[in-house]
Amino acid sequence: DTAVSQTPKYLVTQMGNDKSIKCEQNLGHDTMYWYKQDSKKFLKIMFSYNNKELIINETVPNRFSPKSPDKAHLNLHINSLELGDSAVYFCASSRALSRSDYGYTFGSGTRLTVV
Amino acid sequence: SQKIEQNSEALNIQEGKTATLTCNYTNYSPAYLQWYRQDPGRGPVFLLLIRENEKEKRKERLKVTFDTTLKQSLFHITASQPADSATYLCAPHNNDMRFGAGTRLTVKP
Repeated sequence: DTAVSQTPKYLVTQMGNDKSIKCEQNLGHDTMYWYKQDSKKFLKIMFSYNNKELIINETVPNRFSPKSPDKAHLNLHINSLELGDSAVYFCASSRALSRSDYGYTFGSGTRLTVV
Repeated sequence: SQKIEQNSEALNIQEGKTATLTCNYTNYSPAYLQWYRQDPGRGPVFLLLIRENEKEKRKERLKVTFDTTLKQSLFHITASQPADSATYLCAPHNNDMRFGAGTRLTVKP
């Protein structure tokens, strides 16, 4: 069973389009995250959600909006896509670290290419 | 501003030797420090978590140290194998987990 699953795995789209990436976790974790990994392989946190509440909102453009319909899902919506949005986007989830010795579980990533 | 440095972009070692990777951080005091492995085309995979009140943690051939005075973590892989070849990421953090740029380890047979 896949613990953190993201769809689609690949996404090619034109500039100016609006797209969504879906993420689901079946681990019963408290918090979910979105990370962006650029061409230089540097992983940067974008958002996290804990019990349907946004607790981190990094300085990302407001064209990016996370949506969490329930504790097991955190989708990423991107409006008016730009060339610079091309990257690999990773979803992750975790328990509260104060109660666990396990870290984050990551999905396999969504490679977004804006043309 | 907070900074995380993994001081080797790439590290090549011979099979059977111990690989030692370094992670330094500045301008903050993390309560946790995590290490991850990332293979090409895949998401990071959790390896070890160490807390600020722990000096050392081990898991099979892996050992992590956390020196809050030096603001440094060392990650060791003993008896390294070609299958250990990957990029290793450190993440010293409090509430939000931020990663270093990673060290690409290659273990040669």
